[in-house]
This record gives sequence, C-alpha cells and structure tokens, in this order.
Amino acid sequence: NAGVTQTPKFRILKIGQSMTLQCTQDMNHNYMYWYRQDPGMGLKLIYYSVGAGITDKGEVPNGYNVSRSTTEDFPLRLELAAPSQTSVYFCASSYSAGVFNTGELFFGEGSRLTVL
Amino acid sequence: AQTVTQSQPEMSVQEAETVTLSCTYDTSESDYYLFWYKQPPSRQMILVIRQEAYKQQNATENRFSVNFQKAAKSFSLKISDSQLGDAAMYFCAYRSARNTDKLIFGTGTRLQVFP
Repeated sequence: NAGVTQTPKFRILKIGQSMTLQCTQDMNHNYMYWYRQDPGMGLKLIYYSVGAGITDKGEVPNGYNVSRSTTEDFPLRLELAAPSQTSVYFCASSYSAGVFNTGELFFGEGSRLTVL
Repeated sequence: AQTVTQSQPEMSVQEAETVTLSCTYDTSESDYYLFWYKQPPSRQMILVIRQEAYKQQNATENRFSVNFQKAAKSFSLKISDSQLGDAAMYFCAYRSARNTDKLIFGTGTRLQVFP
C-alpha cells in the first residue's frame, strides 16, 4: 500500500548543482502535483500534470522543470540550484474524471532540500 | 483568484478539551471543496476532513467536525476531546469543483496539546 513515494527524503546541494526529485504513485491517479513548503508558510504549487504527456506551471515554477512520461511518475528537476530553493518539497496525486472528483490529494512524505 | 486565510499561527489546548481552528476563504465560485489537512512532525500531509460546498450539513469525522458557513466564507475545524497525537500543523485548503487542477492552501495553524 505504497501510495505516493518520493525520493530522496533529504539532500544537500551546492549552489549551481542540479538534481531530480523522484515521485511515483501506484493509485492510477491522473493528476500529479509538486508543491514546496517554506518555513511558516503553506504549500505553494510549482508544477502539476493532468495526465501523461501534459504538464503546466503553478504559482512558483521558475528554476524547475517537470516531465510526465507515464501515469505513475512525475519527476521534478532543479537546474542550477539556488539558496532560494531551500525548502521541503511535496509530491501529491489525485483522481478526477468528469463529474467524479473527490477533490482529495494524496501526499508523499516530503523531501527536504538544502542549497548551500 | 481564490485565497485561503488562517489567522491563527498558533493555538494550544489542554488534553481532553475542545479547540477550534479558524479558516476563511475568498472565491466567486459556488461549487467547490474545502479540506483540513494535518501535518505532524513526520511531515506527511494527512486529510482530516472534507466538505463539499453544495452540502449544507457540516462534515464530521469522529472527534473532528467543521462549521461551514458558506455565506460568510468561513470553514472552522473543531477538535473535541483533544489528544496528544493531535499536535501538528493544520492546513485549510480550497479546491474548485470546476477547475480541479489546484489545491490552494492557507499558511497553517500550529496546534499544541498540553497534558
């Protein structure tokens, strides 16, 4: 009963390095999301996907890229890491099909990223 | 654009007592969902309770209940018989029923539970 799985859970990067946060879900959800959570703040949407091959920007997409080649996987790539990208990143998924929409998002456990 | 506001950064409650967390939101839509998510120190976001805007009846899940006031755009969470395990960050969230792409979060309320 894995749900949404994110890796790695912790990572320290140097300024200018690149990395990919992995996210996979086994619930056959069509929607997937990446959020970031800064200290004392709520979650802000980075990118989302409504299905394989389709991605779109959220509130704070700059400095990130995503791809969605399969229903299960939604990796988030950080290019040229900056201290401003120090945050906790959450992947989430949900299912929506026409009028059937529970509205609920299922979250991974988060990935804490520090850029020094 | 829709917004969600949680005006209480921190709240505290004695074990076995009742506490209410506040949330207000702004939207021009009539059909939407509202949620309360709990984030314990382990960080994983857990759904506590959800409310469909078209339902007048307030949602209840065991010790958790909401007071949904659609006209006032208010969605408070009441926790009864508080337990030590209830200590966490609580986030209020909004999702449009029509534009289902995004969940919009408030800034959260940190709840402390004292024995």
